[in-house]
Amino acid sequence: NAGVMQNPRHLVRRRGQEARLRCSPMKGHSHVYWYRQLPEEGLKFMVYLQKENIIDESGMPKERFSAEFPKEGPSILRIQQVVRGDSAAYFCASSPRGQEGYTFGSGTRLTVV
Amino acid sequence: KQEVTQIPAALSVPEGENLVLNCSFTDSAIYNLQWFRQDPGKGLTSLLLIQSSQREQTSGRLNASLDKSSGRSTLYIAASQPGDSATYLCAVLSNTGNQFYFGTGTSLTVIP
Repeated sequence: NAGVMQNPRHLVRRRGQEARLRCSPMKGHSHVYWYRQLPEEGLKFMVYLQKENIIDESGMPKERFSAEFPKEGPSILRIQQVVRGDSAAYFCASSPRGQEGYTFGSGTRLTVV
Repeated sequence: KQEVTQIPAALSVPEGENLVLNCSFTDSAIYNLQWFRQDPGKGLTSLLLIQSSQREQTSGRLNASLDKSSGRSTLYIAASQPGDSATYLCAVLSNTGNQFYFGTGTSLTVIP
């Protein structure tokens, strides 16, 4: 069991480009969560998804950010028209049934230049 | 809205010392509390998980306590080692289970 896999580990984008972050949950986990860690700040919840459904997106910025977890394949966090303030570490976690058994990935570090 | 605070923000101790990290939270309606370790540039490693009905959990040299009514948790590390140097994060899971609320962490340095 490879754990929660996030790729890429590091991503550099120029302002205005799109960033796509991928998260493959642990085998058997159907719940996926995305968190963002800004420099010198704690991790903040962004969105919670189950297969093909967004359950809670209360932490997601209203513009430029979107997330999906299709029936097949990894969960994708998409950031359109990136700005310098989007530079952060983005962590994905998965669980088998919500509330229990959370496992975090190693994160994707996005740098916007 | 749940707020999680960790004190101190940074701590430097000589090897072998016992130490205590503190975490406080404002809303006692939590599902569980978890302590994580984060190494620079790395992901989060779960250290201890305390269910809301429990008072403490132990794993090796680590002991975590939970006082839900007062909104406090402590992480006790016995006989610290240089390999314990990392940032320690406290997180409470909301009753709905939808999200963790994280503190900003305590950065620990253990000096050989």
